[in-house]
Amino acid sequence: GEDVEQSLFLSVREGDSSVINCTYTDSSSTYLYWYKQEPGAGLQLLTYIFSNMDMKQDQRLTVLLNKKDKHLSLRIADTQTGDSAIYFCAETSISGGYNKLIFGAGTRLAVHP
Amino acid sequence: DGGITQSPKYLFRKEGQNVTLSCEQNLNHDAMYWYRQDPGQGLRLIYYSQIVNDFQKGDIAEGYSVSREKKESFPLTVTSAQKNPTAFYLCASSTGYEQYFGPGTRLTVT
Repeated sequence: GEDVEQSLFLSVREGDSSVINCTYTDSSSTYLYWYKQEPGAGLQLLTYIFSNMDMKQDQRLTVLLNKKDKHLSLRIADTQTGDSAIYFCAETSISGGYNKLIFGAGTRLAVHP
Repeated sequence: DGGITQSPKYLFRKEGQNVTLSCEQNLNHDAMYWYRQDPGQGLRLIYYSQIVNDFQKGDIAEGYSVSREKKESFPLTVTSAQKNPTAFYLCASSTGYEQYFGPGTRLTVT
């Protein structure tokens, strides 16, 4: 069935790079997404990648997709304290003609000085 | 200022009462969704609607009901039949491949 797995916690030093990893199961996923959630808030769409791409870069964010291994990663360069949040990976799944999102449990990123 | 609004931010109810959560969007999106988030878990889909006057059950629809009478509005009712209603509820809307979320409503039922 559909499933998205993420590690639950990551701690990095301010200024270092953060790499958040995700594995998914649906090989037919068209798009894969990264969302950010700050405490008590909704989810903010950070970026997404089409399944025929290997990499997408957007300012400090780099998304890598290994379709063979069904592995997605989000790299945040020069991590700042404002990047502390929960990061969710999501895959698409077609269900009844509707493009449904399946979310992982989220990775909590803690940035320390 | 375009976006998705959810009200109220915090909601408290007694067990056995129905409660309706509001979701409004002015993004002109056709599709709207309701998700539930529990601590340490990902989002789970409750209901979704692709057009006005039409909606489908998601993965955890039992104990919930929705309506979609206007494109801009997709209210969610948490009924007394929902066994564990205390959670953070998120509304979203989408056009094409991009799904955007509201700020959420935290519902506490005691």
